Amino acid sequence: DVKVTQSSRYLVKRTGEKVFLECVQDMDHENMFWYRQDPGLGLRLIYFSYDVKMKEKGDIPEGYSVSREKKERFSLILESASTNQTSMYLCASSPDSTYEQYFGPGTRLTVT
Amino acid sequence: DAKTTQPTSMDCAEGRAANLPCNHSTISGNEYVYWYRQIHSQGPQYIIHGLKNNETNEMASLIITEDRKSSTLILPHATLRDTAVYYCIVRVGSSNTGKLIFGQGTTLQVKP
Repeated sequence: DVKVTQSSRYLVKRTGEKVFLECVQDMDHENMFWYRQDPGLGLRLIYFSYDVKMKEKGDIPEGYSVSREKKERFSLILESASTNQTSMYLCASSPDSTYEQYFGPGTRLTVT
Repeated sequence: DAKTTQPTSMDCAEGRAANLPCNHSTISGNEYVYWYRQIHSQGPQYIIHGLKNNETNEMASLIITEDRKSSTLILPHATLRDTAVYYCIVRVGSSNTGKLIFGQGTTLQVKP
């Protein structure tokens, strides 16, 4: 079974802090994605990566950056957390078909 | 990408088959039908996808009509743990972004 793990299920941070969200997949997938999910807004793509050290902006990259130094790991960084970044953050990976995506359990981030 | 229409909600008795319909009358020849579900407070879960032939895996079966304008996801023996929101998505097989967009979906309630 594909396994995608995220570093924390719940996280509380203060405004202005730098936040790191880690995602690891164990299926040697090329593609990895970061989404956020908010009530009424559905899933929104933040960043994605098709290979090590490669990244592409999604629909809402502002305030975020990513890092992919190893194939299995894709990190999301909030440079200076703000209250409007309070959300559920979901990591996903996929094999060659980019719409067959396997999600992690999510990190519910609260910024106070 | 073709638009999909799903019923807002459905009930199913535990142990019975759950048949979830999806209309996609504007689907084009190179578009696949994907199904995902999301259990409350968890990440979305990929279920199955198909182009024109019926597909089956350990989770479900996907029946696509001959004209491809509609499809049905079948959970053969629904359990309480299958209670979730089910999303039908139509997408070209692969793309440069792989961005998933979920519509409203069908809320399936499995009852004892």
